[in-house]
Amino acid sequence: AQTVTQSQPEMSVQEAETVTLSCTYDTSESDYYLFWYKQPPSRQMILVIRQEAYKQQNATENRFSVNFQKAAKSFSLKISDSQLGDAAMYFCAYRSYNRGSQGNLIFGKGTKLSVKP
Amino acid sequence: DGGITQSPKYLFRKEGQNVTLSCEQNLNHDAMYWYRQDPGQGLRLIYYSQIVNDFQKGDIAEGYSVSREKKESFPLTVTSAQKNPTAFYLCASMPGSLYGYTFGSGTRLTVV
Repeated sequence: AQTVTQSQPEMSVQEAETVTLSCTYDTSESDYYLFWYKQPPSRQMILVIRQEAYKQQNATENRFSVNFQKAAKSFSLKISDSQLGDAAMYFCAYRSYNRGSQGNLIFGKGTKLSVKP
Repeated sequence: DGGITQSPKYLFRKEGQNVTLSCEQNLNHDAMYWYRQDPGQGLRLIYYSQIVNDFQKGDIAEGYSVSREKKESFPLTVTSAQKNPTAFYLCASMPGSLYGYTFGSGTRLTVV
């Protein structure tokens, strides 16, 4: 079974600085998707960024980018120019490309990010 | 605007009661999911449904039940058999093929 590990329960960053959140996963599959979700205090889950495993190029979305290392099974999220609104729980998630998995997302336990003004 | 609506936002249950959490989507998504969120535990899958009139157990289905009579609706019943139901419950949906979930805003269930 696949697992997702976020080793940093809490992180802190100064406003305007850069922070990297770590995520590792365990799978025997070669095709899959990886996601980062943000959960602010409102508790609404928001998709931040998505990566397809077959793509070598790292995904980027404005200030958010990932460092996808397939061989190392690592999928870190970099937030540049951090803003107060970035303060939230961040969840890393894995989804198999295999139809038999029914599309279920497997989540890590989350990293709580604080942004200091 | 299309989206997922969960209701109520807060729900209180007495010991021995069944309660039902509502989840409605107007995104025309085929798949729908229920997750439970506890502090420090991430999100754990309760039930999921790929099509109408069909659903599957997730990792922590004991004490819960669901139905999928309409594509738009996927209600979750927390039965009296669920010994520790106090948690935050999230409903999600996904198009039939790729990409990630769209989430509802959640329901906070508390046992009183």
